[in-house]
Amino acid sequence: AQTVTQSQPEMSVQEAETVTLSCTYDTSENNYYLFWYKQPPSRQMILVIRQEAYKQQNATENRFSVNFQKAAKSFSLKISDSQLGDTAMYFCAFMKGAYGNKLVFGAGTILRVKS
Amino acid sequence: EAQVTQNPRYLITVTGKKLTVTCSQNMNHEYMSWYRQDPGLGLRQIYYSMNVEVTDKGDVPEGYKVSRKEKRNFPLILESPSPNQTSLYFCASSLSWDRGPQTHYEQYFGPGTRLTVT
Repeated sequence: AQTVTQSQPEMSVQEAETVTLSCTYDTSENNYYLFWYKQPPSRQMILVIRQEAYKQQNATENRFSVNFQKAAKSFSLKISDSQLGDTAMYFCAFMKGAYGNKLVFGAGTILRVKS
Repeated sequence: EAQVTQNPRYLITVTGKKLTVTCSQNMNHEYMSWYRQDPGLGLRQIYYSMNVEVTDKGDVPEGYKVSRKEKRNFPLILESPSPNQTSLYFCASSLSWDRGPQTHYEQYFGPGTRLTVT
């Protein structure tokens, strides 16, 4: 079974600074996807960024980028130029690539952006 | 607008009183799923459905039932709720993996249902 671990329960960052959220996972699969979801106080689950395991290039979406280390099974999220609207719970999640729709989530990291 | 809807958004009930949380999607998705979110545990899958009349247990199915009589709807049933089912519940839907093993389809989440069982 796959597991996802987020070792930072809470983090804070000053507005306009950069912050990195950590995620490690355990799997014997070779084909899979990794995700970061944002959950603001509204509780809505918002997909931030996705990484395909077969791609060596790290995914980027505007101010959000990942550092995907497949051998180390590490998948960190970097938020640049942090904004107050980035304050949220962030979940790292795993999905098998073949024959899988199920998401396996980490426990989450609460990020607070301070002005 | 493509969306997943859940009702009710908030519910406070008492132990043992049967309840149903509805979930509906308008994207013609085959795959639908229920998750519960608890502090320190993230989201965990309760049940899922690959298509109409096809359902299966997820990681935490005890105390829950589901049905999939129509493609768009996937209700979650708590026949005898208990306080340990107090949680935040999410419904999600996506196209099914069996359209292609190398293809990922994004999961769309509903807005969540906050359930309190006293």
